[in-house]
Amino acid sequence: ETGVTQTPRHLVMGMTNKKSLKCEQHLGHNAMYWYKQSAKKPLELMFVYNFKEQTENNSVPSRFSPECPNSSHLFLHLHTLQPEDSALYLCASSQEGEVGEAFFGQGTRLTVV
Amino acid sequence: SQKIEQNSEALNIQEGKTATLTCNYTNYSPAYLQWYRQDPGRGPVFLLLIRENEKEKRKERLKVTFDTTLKQSLFHITASQPADSATYLCALGEYGNNRLAFGKGNQVVVIP
Repeated sequence: ETGVTQTPRHLVMGMTNKKSLKCEQHLGHNAMYWYKQSAKKPLELMFVYNFKEQTENNSVPSRFSPECPNSSHLFLHLHTLQPEDSALYLCASSQEGEVGEAFFGQGTRLTVV
Repeated sequence: SQKIEQNSEALNIQEGKTATLTCNYTNYSPAYLQWYRQDPGRGPVFLLLIRENEKEKRKERLKVTFDTTLKQSLFHITASQPADSATYLCALGEYGNNRLAFGKGNQVVVIP
């Protein structure tokens, strides 16, 4: 285990549903990230939180809404998604200010029907 | 525009041979480069980091080189094993900025 836990592992939702993805890290890191991974594409950075503050939003549609209540937890709230939003959503954490690796969770495989 | 290129075709290699993967980049000035392994349906797992002033790094059967003139990194798996079959991602990073930029990954299939 990497120390980063994501739930659920799989999610199927309709386009009118509202759901949330959860990420928890037990590594004491101060930076957390959401990435989207679609087939045949590189990982796309969606959101970055440093010390619970959002520092980056890479032009992500408003139907994705992140929340970081503390430095150990990160949520991604989903509503009125489109089928093209189906992908693997990965959470990661690292120590901001240091050169080091990112620790990834196992991901949530999201299917929008 | 910025690009990180990894071979889109899977590398099929006989067990025991050395697998070599390439990561080329344009319009980046990375301070370091990382390699990750990703298995199907799972998150990437960190393998190695090499800084801009380092030419080579080794870890067990893995070796990474970094040539900032050629803007290229090579990733070698020596004495490859079927368990090494996975997708390998390169990622670039800059000092003071933990935003990693990833390549698409290159799949390796080790044939017993």
